[in-house]
Amino acid sequence: DVKVTQSSRYLVKRTGEKVFLECVQDMDHENMFWYRQDPGLGLRLIYFSYDVKMKEKGDIPEGYSVSREKKERFSLILESASTNQTSMYLCASRPQMAGGPYNEQFFGPGTRLTVL
Amino acid sequence: AQKVTQAQTEISVVEKEDVTLDCVYETRDTTYYLFWYKQPPSGELVFLIRRNSFDEQNEISGRYSWNFQKSTSSFNFTITASQVVDSAVYFCALSETGAGSYQLTFGKGTKLSVIP
Repeated sequence: DVKVTQSSRYLVKRTGEKVFLECVQDMDHENMFWYRQDPGLGLRLIYFSYDVKMKEKGDIPEGYSVSREKKERFSLILESASTNQTSMYLCASRPQMAGGPYNEQFFGPGTRLTVL
Repeated sequence: AQKVTQAQTEISVVEKEDVTLDCVYETRDTTYYLFWYKQPPSGELVFLIRRNSFDEQNEISGRYSWNFQKSTSSFNFTITASQVVDSAVYFCALSETGAGSYQLTFGKGTKLSVIP
């Protein structure tokens, strides 16, 4: 079974802190994604990475950065956390293979981040 | 740009009732993929089904069935004889090919509550 794990289920930080959210997948997937989920807004893509050291902005990248130094790990960084970044953050991975967009994404359990 | 609309924000049904969750999409691509995911209270999104744009055959899996109609750009999901375990948020999603192939565009979700 594909497993996507996220470093924390719940996280509380203060405004201005630097925050790292870690995501690890164990199935050698090329593509990895970070979403945030807010009530009434569904899932919105923050950043994605199609391979090691490669990254692309999603729909809402402002205030975030990412790092992918190893294939299995994709980190989301909040350089200076703000209260409007309080949200549920979901990581996902997907094999590239020949199918590309045909392949489903596999999701982690999510990190509920609260910024005070 | 692609768009997915789930007009039903919340639905409540009594156990054993049938329920249909609506999904309407917009895309300019002729080749695309549609997905349904389930998000139980635990938070992790679970893949349910995938459909490609060339396959309009309806699918049934146990109590779940999906109706894909290209003419109306809809991909509706029906649960027959609903059970309490079906209570979750359900997301419809669209993946295009070509330049947008890395992105999975989600609807805002429909929260289904099955009352015993």
